Amino acid sequence: DIQMTQSPSSLSASVGGRVTITCQASQDISNYLNWYQQKPGKAPKVLIFDASNLETGVPSRFSGSGSGTYFTFTISSLQPEDIATYYCQHYDNLRWTFGQGTKVEI
Amino acid sequence: EVQLVESGGGLVQPGGSLRLSCSASGFTFSSYWMSWVRQAPGKGLEWVANIGKDGSAKVYVDSVKGRFTISRDNAKNSLFLLMNSLGAEDTAVYYCAKILDRHPYYHFDYWGQGTLVTVSS
Repeated sequence: DIQMTQSPSSLSASVGGRVTITCQASQDISNYLNWYQQKPGKAPKVLIFDASNLETGVPSRFSGSGSGTYFTFTISSLQPEDIATYYCQHYDNLRWTFGQGTKVEI
Repeated sequence: EVQLVESGGGLVQPGGSLRLSCSASGFTFSSYWMSWVRQAPGKGLEWVANIGKDGSAKVYVDSVKGRFTISRDNAKNSLFLLMNSLGAEDTAVYYCAKILDRHPYYHFDYWGQGTLVTVSS
């Protein structure tokens, strides 16, 4: 099974600051990688699909990059409403694996 | 507007059973794969099961194989999860999620609000 290692597990940044989260796969997964945001008490919401595509309606301060085994998720200018836990997600034959999550605080 | 509404959660004793439901609206339910994803209290997300458009294809995470059964009723736009032999490790919020299929690319594009299952004596 492919393992997804997401880091860090938590981080604190200032409003307007840049946030970067990484997700590493145990083997080449091409660009079969999505990123989700989950606010406290809410269901997750997709932000980035196929490693780098921004979901419709998601602010452009969110971005994703990477291919193969190493992926990054970036918030270019952190806003108070971005406080949430972020998860990477891989799928293989419709079996889904989530990263451990990164809790983003201000 | 796409809506997914889960129900059926609650308190169940270890070894017991529970059936979750997810009522879908706002899209052609029979045209999409669907999933159940769970989240234990204070923990991360864990995919549980998928079901194909016509209900014939089913995939499960190893930890629930033989205990959980995913099913659907396309005539009633409903998704189900029958959970048997429940243990404390199954305590979680259970979400139903719609899969957007752009083969070979997939992602969950809509989620329900979740239903809490608590396994405790």
